[in-house]
Amino acid sequence: AQSVTQPDIHITVSEGASLELRCNYSYGATPYLFWYVQSPGQGLQLLLKYFSGDTLVQGIKGFEAEFKRSQSSFNLRKPSVHWSDAAEYFCAVGFLSGGYNKLIFGAGTRLAVHP
Amino acid sequence: DADVTQTPRNRITKTGKRIMLECSQTKGHDRMYWYRQDPGLGLRLIYYSFDVKDINKGEISDGYSVSRQAQAKFSLSLESAIPNQTALYFCATSPDREMRTGELFFGEGSRLTVL
Repeated sequence: AQSVTQPDIHITVSEGASLELRCNYSYGATPYLFWYVQSPGQGLQLLLKYFSGDTLVQGIKGFEAEFKRSQSSFNLRKPSVHWSDAAEYFCAVGFLSGGYNKLIFGAGTRLAVHP
Repeated sequence: DADVTQTPRNRITKTGKRIMLECSQTKGHDRMYWYRQDPGLGLRLIYYSFDVKDINKGEISDGYSVSRQAQAKFSLSLESAIPNQTALYFCATSPDREMRTGELFFGEGSRLTVL
């Protein structure tokens, strides 16, 4: 069955430090992959997406993610974290199922940023 | 003004009561969704609608019903609320049927507490 795993429930980093949030998926073919961010009290916003081609994708707010087929991973990275990046981050996998486009979300990783 | 508006933003109700959550959008999208967010579980799809005449069950539709009153309006109802329906509910829209766009546009969420 298709699934998305985000191994880290909570991560704390210092402002200015680098960040990597992990995401692993289970799917038989190459899925569509997404990272969403949820700021406190807000809905989710798309950070970036991967469909095909270059495995390193750039997103908004200085984020990037790398698709590694051999590891079934799509990790999110940022070289220097800002206090405003504190939020919850969701990885999602999209695929066709039963005739409709299905999106499965991971459980989320909550990021705290220390000054 | 938000493109996807949910009302109410917060609601406390009692077991057995009927509750309706409303969603309206100004994005002109055909597809609308209702998700439920629980800590540690990510987002799970309750219902989705391709257009006014096309409504489909998602992963966790039991205990819920929906109504697509117009292209811009999609309501979620709990006919007889129970405590395990306490959650944060999100409405979302997307512009077309193809997963390649991949982007969902979320409302700010409706927090429901069932006592």
